[in-house]
Amino acid sequence: DAGVTQSPTHLIKTRGQQVTLRCSPKSGHDTVSWYQQALGQGPQFIFQYYEEEERQRGNFPDRFSGHQFPNYSSELNVNALLLGDSALYLCASSRGTGDNSPLHFGNGTRLTVT
Amino acid sequence: GDSVTQMEGPVTLSEEAFLTINCTYTATGYPSLFWYVQYPGEGLQLLLKATKADDKGSNKGFEATYRKETTSFHLEKGSVQVSDSAVYFCALVTGANSKLTFGKGITLSVRP
Repeated sequence: DAGVTQSPTHLIKTRGQQVTLRCSPKSGHDTVSWYQQALGQGPQFIFQYYEEEERQRGNFPDRFSGHQFPNYSSELNVNALLLGDSALYLCASSRGTGDNSPLHFGNGTRLTVT
Repeated sequence: GDSVTQMEGPVTLSEEAFLTINCTYTATGYPSLFWYVQYPGEGLQLLLKATKADDKGSNKGFEATYRKETTSFHLEKGSVQVSDSAVYFCALVTGANSKLTFGKGITLSVRP
């Protein structure tokens, strides 16, 4: 049973470029959340997708957008990259959106913006 | 808003030493509390959780008790192993959602 898979594992981009990160949830899960983990910090919630809609959003600018597909997989897009966007981006999946739905995390995508 | 405060790190211990990692929280409503662990190069793994006051979560020899009166959820282990070396995050969830609020994390190194 595959867990949460993310691609790519590492990515280097230049300031001003755009990036797309991908996530496949754990089998049986229908909800995907994205987190940004800056170096030496705890993960920060970006947004959550359920039934192909953004259900919750953290304190991130509109440059951060996402999408969920009918097969529950998800993409995170970041436009106009800034140096400060360099971080580990974690995808987490769950079954439903309740607070007792345990999250399963992927290994993350390490984004470096130069 | 919700927040989680963890003790400053890093922490270095000898194998078989006793471990305590402090965590306190501020939350609206009644949160569920979690400890996550992140091994080098990996994503987060749920270590243990507690969903109401006085609950004790436990897993792999680690324990934490939900203390509503002190708004704390300290992580303890009686005898650490080298394989416990990792980053530990305290986190909470409130309301009818699964959005986690994390602390900054603390790096634990256990030497043989």
